[in-house]
Amino acid sequence: DAKTTQPPSMDCAEGRAANLPCNHSTISGNEYVYWYRQIHSQGPQYIIHGLKNNETNEMASLIITEDRKSSTLILPHATLRDTAVYYCIVPPNAGGTSYGKLTFGQGTILTVHP
Amino acid sequence: KAGVTQTPRYLIKTRGQQVTLSCSPISGHRSVSWYQQTPGQGLQFLFEYFSETQRNKGNFPGRFSGRQFSNSRSEMNVSTLELGDSALYLCASSPSEGRPYNSPLHFGNGTRLTVT
Repeated sequence: DAKTTQPPSMDCAEGRAANLPCNHSTISGNEYVYWYRQIHSQGPQYIIHGLKNNETNEMASLIITEDRKSSTLILPHATLRDTAVYYCIVPPNAGGTSYGKLTFGQGTILTVHP
Repeated sequence: KAGVTQTPRYLIKTRGQQVTLSCSPISGHRSVSWYQQTPGQGLQFLFEYFSETQRNKGNFPGRFSGRQFSNSRSEMNVSTLELGDSALYLCASSPSEGRPYNSPLHFGNGTRLTVT
């Protein structure tokens, strides 16, 4: 997978927007940027993914820079339940057939404070 | 739709024993992947199955094996358990439609295996 770099930890006040950055300077071709999160003792949860354009769903927004070398996940109104480890992943687009192999880094531990 | 279901939720085994973990994917999902999560190594890919065939395998010893049934349900087996096999084992499913790299994974909440 294209290597991604994330800050190890971030804090956010409840009700504020949480902006989680990710660098993926080696991204290439039609590789997508995916975000997952893992709340303690649960399995990772898919949040959002995108290719070039900004994406928004009921959980979050994803902003991808024009050169696609970095992106930001935005949780518009963070709650205490958003405290989790957030993973930015760029699965390889090598013409293969594998759907299920992802490389997880250490992610960003987001702590939302009251 | 029901999510990915993994059973059992917790398991305690003794060194040298073997263990079988079960995963039921989301209805209609044909790809099932397994991951091991430990505090030291993080989340690591074990293997992936599609249409009852192993399609991809991570860097784990042969003691770790799996299979997928015709209804897409999957099991993984670990033989001759070692203390280091204590981990959270996660299963994920994917619809496997369209392009592979544009298909999110949906994870279960895992089986917590403790080897004593």
